[in-house]
Amino acid sequence: AQTVTQSQPEMSVQEAETVTLSCTYDTSESDYYLFWYKQPPSRQMILVIRQEAYKQQNATENRFSVNFQKAAKSFSLKISDSQLGDAAMYFCAYQGGSEKLVFGKGTKLTVNP
Amino acid sequence: EAGVTQSPTHLIKTSGQHATLRCSPISGHTSVYWYQQALGLGLQFLLWYDEGEERNRGNFPPRFSGRQFPNYSSELNVNALELEDSALYLCASSLAGTGGAEDTQYFGPGTRLTVL
Repeated sequence: AQTVTQSQPEMSVQEAETVTLSCTYDTSESDYYLFWYKQPPSRQMILVIRQEAYKQQNATENRFSVNFQKAAKSFSLKISDSQLGDAAMYFCAYQGGSEKLVFGKGTKLTVNP
Repeated sequence: EAGVTQSPTHLIKTSGQHATLRCSPISGHTSVYWYQQALGLGLQFLLWYDEGEERNRGNFPPRFSGRQFPNYSSELNVNALELEDSALYLCASSLAGTGGAEDTQYFGPGTRLTVL
């Protein structure tokens, strides 16, 4: 069974600074997708970024980028120029052949003004 | 374009009762997924429906069931409610359950179920 581990229950960052959230996963599948989702206190889960495992190039979406290390099974999220609106729970998720998402426990990000 | 919608927003029931939660996917999406987000347990996969059929099921008792309608909306039914069923139930939809970028799941706002 696939597992996803987020080792940082909480992180904090100063506004305008950069922060990196860690995620590791375990799988025997070769074809899969990895995601970062954001869940603000309003609870709506929002897709932040997606990475296809077969792509070597790291995904980027505006201020959000990932560092995907397939051999190490590592998938970290970097948030540049942090904004107050980035404060939320961030979940790393794995999707393989079974289609279901397997989530990590989440990292609570606080952005300090 | 409207996102995934869920109803009701909140639901309060007592032990032993039955609960029905509803989800409407993004227009054009045929796959619907249900997840439970319970305090301390994280997000757990419940059910996946595609084209009206149940495709996959998580490790939950048979008290949890659901269905998908011809318009691709879905409902989750929970029978014989127990206190530990109290959680946020999230519905997600995707374009297709066939593998690929089309399977990216987009979530609704959730239904908060409280069992007293």
